[in-house]
Order: sequence, then structure tokens, then C-alpha cells
Amino acid sequence: DARVTQTPRDKVTEMGQEVTMRCQPILGHNTVFWYRQTMMQGLELLAYFRNRAPLDDSGMPKDRFSAEMPDATLATLKIQPSEPRDSAVYFCASAGQGGTEAFFGQGTRLTVV
Amino acid sequence: RKEVEQDPGPFNVPEGATVAFNCTYSNSASQSFFWYRQDCRKEPKLLMSVYSSGNEDGRFTAQLNRASQYISLLIRDSKLSDSATYLCVVPGYGQNFVFGPGTRLSVLP
Repeated sequence: DARVTQTPRDKVTEMGQEVTMRCQPILGHNTVFWYRQTMMQGLELLAYFRNRAPLDDSGMPKDRFSAEMPDATLATLKIQPSEPRDSAVYFCASAGQGGTEAFFGQGTRLTVV
Repeated sequence: RKEVEQDPGPFNVPEGATVAFNCTYSNSASQSFFWYRQDCRKEPKLLMSVYSSGNEDGRFTAQLNRASQYISLLIRDSKLSDSATYLCVVPGYGQNFVFGPGTRLSVLP
């Protein structure tokens, strides 16, 4: 049963600390998305990659957020330093060639105190 | 104008009712559209794809109006289990997936 795997599922951290979230896309999928979801903003696209190359990260605060794909099986989203307003659920999703459907991971619930 | 807009609701309907949601989009070049469903504290999951004028799957019907740039989702004979948030998705200019804010549906007994 192919699925997108995200770790950790939950993260509580203090303001100013570095946070790294990881995503393993479905094997063979060439497009990976990072979304952030809050009650106020809904699902916001932060960044996405195609064939490991970043295509668009305009939705991401550049001063503290960074997204990378070290290889085809791993995508990371890093926040340094974290702030309370970063508290949200962060979803990773992947899609195959043609992009007919995006499959989501279960999300990382981040709380910054 | 936002890329994808939806009525946030909530829509509170009794079991058995028919309910419809609309979604408007700004990218006239989009060729395919999707409706996703998200349950509370869960990830979004694909409900239906809409490639031409519409699509029907059991109690669910999705329709596309390209001239007016909107898609709709109709749910007939609604069940308690249909309670969720319904997200309209329109591929953006870079073939990414742009999600609408979602419409919350509560089906009441």
C-alpha cells in the first residue's frame, strides 16, 4: 500500500529552536509539495519540487524556512529559528507523472511555544 | 482575485438532503480540476476528478463550467459520514495544486 510518510507526526518546540520535518514521497512520484494548514489560512502551498528541482517556493518565508530534496526518496522542510506563528499542520504530498492526483501524508502537527 | 475561491460554510443539512458547493477559479488555462475531502484532523484525500464537463460517482456529481470558471459538487441523499470539509483544487500556472479554502459540511441526524 503506497503512501506518503511524514515524520514526526507531532512536534512541540520552544521558540527559536530549529525544526526539521521529513517526507518520504511515494516511490516513482516525481512531484513533491509542502503545504501548511491553519484554521485561518487553510491549505497554503509553501514549495514544490519536480524531479528534485525546486519549482516554486514563493509561498515560503525565505528568512527562516528552507526546503530541500537530498534525494528522490526524501524531502525536508526546515524552520530556523521557529516562531509561535509557525504553529500549524504541515503536509507533504506527492504526485506522479501527469499530476493527476496528489497523495498526502498524515501531516506533522507543529506547536511552537 | 484569489486563484481558487469557495464558500467556507458551514453548510448544516439534514440526512437525506441534497447539497451543492461551488468553487470559482481564476486560471482560465486549467484543464483538470479536483474535489478533495478532508476529515477533521486528517489529511485531504481525492474525492473526484473533473476533466471535461462533469463527472458522476454514485451520490456525487461534479460539474464544470469553463465559460464562467466555476466547478460545483453536488451530494445527493447526504449521509452523516459525508460530514467533512470539501476542498476544490485547481492546477496552477506551474502545474502545482492550488487548494481552495474549503467548504465545511455537517450532516445532521
